[in-house]
This record gives sequence, C-alpha cells and structure tokens, in this order.
Amino acid sequence: SQQGEEDPQALSIQEGENATMNCSYKTSINNLQWYRQNSGRGLVHLILIRSNEREKHSGRLRVTLDTSKKSSSLLITASRAADTASYFCATYKNSGGSNYKLTFGKGTLLTVNP
Amino acid sequence: NAGVMQNPRHLVRRRGQEARLRCSPMKGHSHVYWYRQLPEEGLKFMVYLQKENIIDESGMPKERFSAEFPKEGPSILRIQQVVRGDSAAYFCASSPFPGGRRYEQYFGPGTRLTVT
Repeated sequence: SQQGEEDPQALSIQEGENATMNCSYKTSINNLQWYRQNSGRGLVHLILIRSNEREKHSGRLRVTLDTSKKSSSLLITASRAADTASYFCATYKNSGGSNYKLTFGKGTLLTVNP
Repeated sequence: NAGVMQNPRHLVRRRGQEARLRCSPMKGHSHVYWYRQLPEEGLKFMVYLQKENIIDESGMPKERFSAEFPKEGPSILRIQQVVRGDSAAYFCASSPFPGGRRYEQYFGPGTRLTVT
C-alpha cells in the first residue's frame, strides 16, 4: 500500500450524523494534513497535525494521530450536505531533504444525504 | 490576498498538440509545486521550483514535460505532444518557505486537461 491511504474509500451518511475517516501511512512523518476536494474543484486545507501532537480540533473537525500505529483519523461531527466531498490525508516524509513532497492517499468520498 | 491562481481552468487539446498550464503563486510565495491527479486517484508530486530554479523534478516524466518559474511572471508547466494518458487535473501549490515541515502548501483550483 502507498504512503497515506484512506479508509473507507466511500462513506454515505445522513445529515446530522458523524463521519469518521481513517488514514494509514508507512514511513516516519513530520506532520499529517487533511484536505477536502469538492467534485471537480481544487483542494482546501482543513487541518495540520504535527507528529508530536495526538489530537487537534477545528470547528466540527477532530483529528487524531497515532504515530505508533502510523494512523490518523478525521471526525466530522454533525455533518451537513455541504460536507459532501472527497477527503485526502497527506504527509511529508521525515527523512532526507525531500520533505516538501506531499504524498496523498486516494481519498475517501463522503456523501452526506439531506 | 488572492490565493493561488491557475489558468486555464479547463484545457482541451488534440493528441500531438502542446499544453501550457500557468500558475501564479500567492503573494509573497516564492516556492511552487506541481501535482497531477489522475481520475479517482490522489495527487502525485511532479516538480518543485523556486524562482528561476528547478529544485526537484523527480516526479515529472522525463520526456515531453517541462516546468519553469521565471523571475517575472507565473510558473509554467508545459506538455509537448500530448497523449490521452496526459488527461488529468494538474494542481499548483505554493508556500512562503522551502519545504513543508512547518508550513502548509496552498493549492490552486487546478487545470483540467482533456486530450482528445
């Protein structure tokens, strides 16, 4: 599997429910970031969590990071139809000089039904 | 403060033609990155440039693809003699400092290239 893989590939929920997406990675990282991409649009940066942090909140978003398991989760609470989008995790490798290459997973397609 | 600008947003080219994609980074950002997103895939790093310098082009195909970031003007990603497999969304990102260990990369809206 590649660095930064999201799980599940697709998730469909009802408005008001919580959505949880997971991301696993393989190599040591400096930080992990979550992005949202609406259909056919660009990427919007949601949140960055550093390797020495375990949990971070931003509005309805909650991100956790477990470096021992090389995994992260993104929780969206009280989801809205407008949250419908693809969500990607992205990491920088913590080795060598090429720590500017963001490595993305294939994303989780979240559909929030009204 | 305008974000990262890319144009055109959509580009259609016939096989064998050239495609030129432009990216204007955010004001004050001198580091530009290009990524490619194939259908139903995540983004893949192509090239990292600073003003007048290519720092890392390891993700860019060796043939037909080139990138530049001149002293004045936008960064250009150029694809010569396009083939159907080049059809993808091409995203540009910029940052104020090199690398990304402490700073996020700000993404543009992308250029969707379709090769017919």
